Amino acid sequence: DAKTTQPNSMESNEEEPVHLPCNHSTISGTDYIHWYRQLPSQGPEYVIHGLTSNVNNRMASLAIAEDRKSSTLILHRATLRDAAVYYCILRDSGGTSYGKLTFGQGTILTVHP
Amino acid sequence: DGGITQSPKYLFRKEGQNVTLSCEQNLNHDAMYWYRQDPGQGLRLIYYSQIVNDFQKGDIAEGYSVSREKKESFPLTVTSAQKNPTAFYLCASSLRHGNSPLHFGNGTRLTVT
Repeated sequence: DAKTTQPNSMESNEEEPVHLPCNHSTISGTDYIHWYRQLPSQGPEYVIHGLTSNVNNRMASLAIAEDRKSSTLILHRATLRDAAVYYCILRDSGGTSYGKLTFGQGTILTVHP
Repeated sequence: DGGITQSPKYLFRKEGQNVTLSCEQNLNHDAMYWYRQDPGQGLRLIYYSQIVNDFQKGDIAEGYSVSREKKESFPLTVTSAQKNPTAFYLCASSLRHGNSPLHFGNGTRLTVT
C-alpha cells in the first residue's frame, strides 16, 4: 500500500493560515489524495480530496505537487475549532484494493488563541 | 438526515465474552469499513466490504468477524480470541469509487475487563 508521511504535530495562531504537509513519494497514478480530520472521541471528518489539480472547498484548499509526490492542506484562517488530528491518506481508484484505506499517524494541529 | 449510526457509544464486557458492535448507514453506500483506534494512534483497518455478501480482511482481522447480509448494515463481532479488545471502534461507509470520501460514525468505545 502506498504510504504517507506527515509531521507529528504543528502549531498555529488563530486567524492565521496553516499549511499541513504530506509526503507520498510512492503514490501511483490511480491514487486519490484524501484528507480527514478527527476531534477527540469522534469519528474522522472528510475535509477534501484531489487527484492532480489543486482543489478548493468551503473547509480548505488542497495543493498537489506537479509530480504528485507531496501535497499540502491549507486552512486559510485557522480557528480554535480547527484544532484536530489531520490525516493524509491515499485511496486507490482501481485494481483490487481500491476499497482498502490505510491511515497513518496524522498531524496534531494546535491552534492558539 | 443521512448518516452512519454506531451503537452503543460505550460498551463494557467481561473477558472471554463475544460482543457485537452495530453499524447502520442510510446513505445507500455499497462499501463499508471497520477500523480500530488505540489511544494516541491512527486508525487500523479490521475488515471492509465493497458489496453485500462479500467482505475482505484488513490489516488486523484476527479475533474479529463480520457479516454483510444487508447493504445498510455491517456488524462487527469481537471474539474472545482477540487478545487486546479494549479500543475505540469506528465504522465508515462510502461509494465504491476511489474518489468518493468516507463517512464515519461516532464510534463505539469498548472496554473489556
